[in-house]
Amino acid sequence: GEDVEQSLFLSVREGDSSVINCTYTDSSSTYLYWYKQEPGAGLQLLTYIFSNMDMKQDQRLTVLLNKKDKHLSLRIADTQTGDSAIYFCAERVPDKLIFGTGTRLQVFP
Amino acid sequence: NAGVTQTPKFRVLKTGQSMTLLCAQDMNHEYMYWYRQDPGMGLRLIHYSVGEGTTAKGEVPDGYNVSRLKKQNFLLGLESAAPSQTSVYFCASSPPFYGYTFGSGTRLTVV
Repeated sequence: GEDVEQSLFLSVREGDSSVINCTYTDSSSTYLYWYKQEPGAGLQLLTYIFSNMDMKQDQRLTVLLNKKDKHLSLRIADTQTGDSAIYFCAERVPDKLIFGTGTRLQVFP
Repeated sequence: NAGVTQTPKFRVLKTGQSMTLLCAQDMNHEYMYWYRQDPGMGLRLIHYSVGEGTTAKGEVPDGYNVSRLKKQNFLLGLESAAPSQTSVYFCASSPPFYGYTFGSGTRLTVV
């Protein structure tokens, strides 16, 4: 079946790099996404990667995709307190996105 | 651009009451979705629509109905609210095969 898994929590010091990991099950996924949710807000699209790519970089964000292992990661360089949020990965299957349960990133000074 | 607009933003219902949540999008997206978000449960898909006049069940459809009479609107109805339906509800829309744009959510409390 379709399933996306993420660890629940990550705590990092301000200025360090954060790496949030995700595994998915559907090998036919075309796109994979990272969304950010700040407290009391909706989900905001951060970045995405097409399934035939290995890596995508967008300013402080780096997405790595290992299609063989069905593993996706999001690296945030120079993590700031404003990066504290819940991060969801999602895989695109026909008609919808399948979301992970979200990883709560806490950044401390 | 307004994107995806949800109304109302907050609502308190008594058990057994009914209500309709409205989602409107101005991006001409074909697909629209209703999710609920509960602590520790992530996002769970209630119903979705792949075009005007179509609807389909998600993973938690019981107790909810939907309608997509116009392409830009997707309505979520609760006929007889229960405390278990206390949640934050998110609407989203997308073109086929692409990512979603989310609304800002409706916080519903059923007492």
